[in-house]
Amino acid sequence: RKEVEQDPGPFNVPEGATVAFNCTYSNSASQSFFWYRQDCRKEPKLLMSVYSSGNEDGRFTAQLNRASQYISLLIRDSKLSDSATYLCVVNPWTGGYNKLIFGAGTRLAVHP
Amino acid sequence: SAVISQKPSRDICQRGTSLTIQCQVDSQVTMMFWYRQQPGQSLTLIATANQGSEATYESGFVIDKFPISRPNLTFSTLTVSNMSPEDSSIYLCSVEALGGGSYNEQFFGPGTRLTVL
Repeated sequence: RKEVEQDPGPFNVPEGATVAFNCTYSNSASQSFFWYRQDCRKEPKLLMSVYSSGNEDGRFTAQLNRASQYISLLIRDSKLSDSATYLCVVNPWTGGYNKLIFGAGTRLAVHP
Repeated sequence: SAVISQKPSRDICQRGTSLTIQCQVDSQVTMMFWYRQQPGQSLTLIATANQGSEATYESGFVIDKFPISRPNLTFSTLTVSNMSPEDSSIYLCSVEALGGGSYNEQFFGPGTRLTVL
């Protein structure tokens, strides 16, 4: 079983749609969680951290369910510029340093 | 934040040769990370490099194949040795630094796109 699993997509949605991505992780001791965004042929960039209480940043909402080892990202009112690959990232905290485990990513394509 | 540059940005190499990738950060950082992203796949951590000590390699990666140097707090190199076509990948350098949200986050360099013929 992969440490971090995501639906690869692609998700093809029209502008203005609401889209949700899910992610599961295998290590129950994982300490911190993130969503990164990666544009085509570019490096990943942090989109947002995911907190136990859930957090929102504009049109983006991230939620964490520790009991189910499940993370989600909701994008409301999709824009063309949201088209990218969204990477679910988990820090298992091995005790020595902040090591990040990346999911394979979910591709989103927003069309007019 | 941290601004990271990598050299070269891309290269095409012959089987059996070696390539050294450089990573430069605009601020002093304790830890630097080297990742690999193979075509169509996500990032895999190769090793973590601390200044003044040997790099820590992840399972499946060995020092003989991917020697790393970390001579100071702003610079690191990764060498891909005795290359084969399976090493064709994007290699990314990353550092942990204070982000916009006042907590540490990992910043990535633009990557080095390596093609081995």
